[in-house]
Amino acid sequence: QKEVEQDPGPLSVPEGAIVSLNCTYSNSAFQYFMWYRQYSRKGPELLMYTYSSGNKEDGRFTAQVDKSSKYISLFIRDSQPSDSATYLCARSLEYGNKLVFGAGTILRVKS
Amino acid sequence: DTGVSQNPRHKITKRGQNVTFRCDPISEHNRLYWYRQTLGQGPEFLTYFQNEAQLEKSRLLSDRFSAERPKGSFSTLEIQRTEQGDSAMYLCASSWGARQNYGYTFGSGTRLTVV
Repeated sequence: QKEVEQDPGPLSVPEGAIVSLNCTYSNSAFQYFMWYRQYSRKGPELLMYTYSSGNKEDGRFTAQVDKSSKYISLFIRDSQPSDSATYLCARSLEYGNKLVFGAGTILRVKS
Repeated sequence: DTGVSQNPRHKITKRGQNVTFRCDPISEHNRLYWYRQTLGQGPEFLTYFQNEAQLEKSRLLSDRFSAERPKGSFSTLEIQRTEQGDSAMYLCASSWGARQNYGYTFGSGTRLTVV
């Protein structure tokens, strides 16, 4: 079993839709959780991070962490074509430590 | 500060040749990481430095790979006797060892193609 599981997609939605991206993980020791966005042929760009269960909101993005079920989600409201990218979830055992990534979910937002 | 810089952006090399990549981190960041990413996969951790000390190496980092960070500034990743399986995107990231600001930032990567 991979440490971090993520549906590769692709997920195709119309512009303006609410997008839900999900990850599960197996190691309950993970403390920090991140979502990265990666455009084609670019490095990953940090969208959000959290180290606790619950929700964290930043503009159109909401990250949700449920440590009891080892499940994290990223919601994108009012999705735009510019949101089309690969979304990577990542975990870290502690701050500043190595990250363990999922394989990424490809998102396509159609105008 | 323009972020994490990696050079070259692309490298095509023949099997068996040696290659070296360079990473310049964000200047105030004391930690520097190397990852490798293949098509359709997330980045995989290779190694990381705190200042000039190499603190952890993945088992993915075979003895053909070596990384350095002299004086705790830029870092180089060298691959000796390249193999076709080394073809990947090599990503560098840097962070500051403080909890107040999560600045784990990636560069744009070096894409290596071994022919």
